Amino acid sequence: AQRVTQPEKLLSVFKGAPVELKCNYSYSGSPELFWYVQYSRQRLQLLLRHISRESIKGFTADLNKGETSFHLKKPFAQEEDSAMYYCALKMDSSYKLIFGSGTRLLVRP
Amino acid sequence: DAGITQSPRHKVTETGTPVTLRCHQTENHRYMYWYRQDPGHGLRLIHYSYGVKDTDKGEVSDGYSVSRSKTEDFLLTLESATSSQTSVYFCAIRDSSYNEQFFGPGTRLTVL
Repeated sequence: AQRVTQPEKLLSVFKGAPVELKCNYSYSGSPELFWYVQYSRQRLQLLLRHISRESIKGFTADLNKGETSFHLKKPFAQEEDSAMYYCALKMDSSYKLIFGSGTRLLVRP
Repeated sequence: DAGITQSPRHKVTETGTPVTLRCHQTENHRYMYWYRQDPGHGLRLIHYSYGVKDTDKGEVSDGYSVSRSKTEDFLLTLESATSSQTSVYFCAIRDSSYNEQFFGPGTRLTVL
């Protein structure tokens, strides 16, 4: 079955440290991967998608089909990055998203 | 906010009572979705709609029904609320122009 796995429930780092939030997926077709972010008491918003290959707020993510991963990285974490992060998978020919269980990022001063 | 609102934003109800949550969009998108958000489970799809009167089940549809009688409104009904349905419910729309989903502000439902 198609699945998205985010192995870390909580990731705590100090300000200025590098951050990597892990995301692995299981899907044999052509996936489209997304990262969504939810700041405290706000709605989910799209952070980035693999197709656009863009960098948003200093975050990047590369789709590795060999390892079926889409890890989210940032070289220097900021306190305002503290939030809940969700990885999501869209299968081809589907209009639904499959979400991982989320990782809470806490950036300490 | 992509023109998505949800009502009510907070609700406390008792076990066994019916509850209806409303999602309203202003931008005429065809696809609408209802998710629930629970710690350790992330977001799980309850039901979705691909047009007026066209709906389908998601992965956690038991105990929920939906209706979409017009493009702008997608209603989620809990026929007889249970404590396991205490959750935060998010509505989303799919913007085909950007091929991404935009989310509403959420409804926090507590079933006592």
